[in-house]
Amino acid sequence: GAVVSQHPSWVICKSGTSVKIECRSLDFQATTMFWYRQFPKQSLMLMATSNEGSKATYEQGVEKDKFLINHASLTLSTLTVTSAHPEDSSFYICSATREQGVHEQYFGPGTRLTVT
Amino acid sequence: DAKTTQPNSMESNEEEPVHLPCNHSTISGTDYIHWYRQLPSQGPEYVIHGLTSNVNNRMASLAIAEDRKSSTLILHRATLRDAAVYYCILRDVGGSEKLVFGKGTKLTVNP
Repeated sequence: GAVVSQHPSWVICKSGTSVKIECRSLDFQATTMFWYRQFPKQSLMLMATSNEGSKATYEQGVEKDKFLINHASLTLSTLTVTSAHPEDSSFYICSATREQGVHEQYFGPGTRLTVT
Repeated sequence: DAKTTQPNSMESNEEEPVHLPCNHSTISGTDYIHWYRQLPSQGPEYVIHGLTSNVNNRMASLAIAEDRKSSTLILHRATLRDAAVYYCILRDVGGSEKLVFGKGTKLTVNP
């Protein structure tokens, strides 16, 4: 099956610092990657869609200057939370699609971010 | 995206079948019905999808009503590892590939 990894699995940072989260498709080339955020006891909220080599498309209400997404290759997308604050503490999850028209999305295991 | 409605929670006993309902009365002709599940502290995983006909795979079965306004995910023999939040999601095959998650159904499996 297709595997998506995320690194780190958890991170604690101080308020005002930036944190980078990596999402990799290990055994396939991902045409599109997605970034989600999930607060405790809530559902996943889509933050942005990214395609390799082009700018990410952000969902309404998501600050593009705060959540920087880079999709430099077909197997790697990164999410950088800039100037993190305690309210950014959340579970960040990425997903990837193998090719257009394929229904299944493959999700990473998630990254738990805690901002102190 | 068309909206889905699911019960907040359901309970089942181990080794018994589980029927998880989903209502999607505003479904369009090109919307596929997708099911994903999320185990605690993990990313979601794909379960099954369908358009009009019932579907079976190694994980579950998907029963789709004739008018497509509702569907049911069937786990034939629930195990403790099936305890998760199950999400029913509609996606237009011709539209964006993004998935819009609702609140889902939290399934508890009793030993």
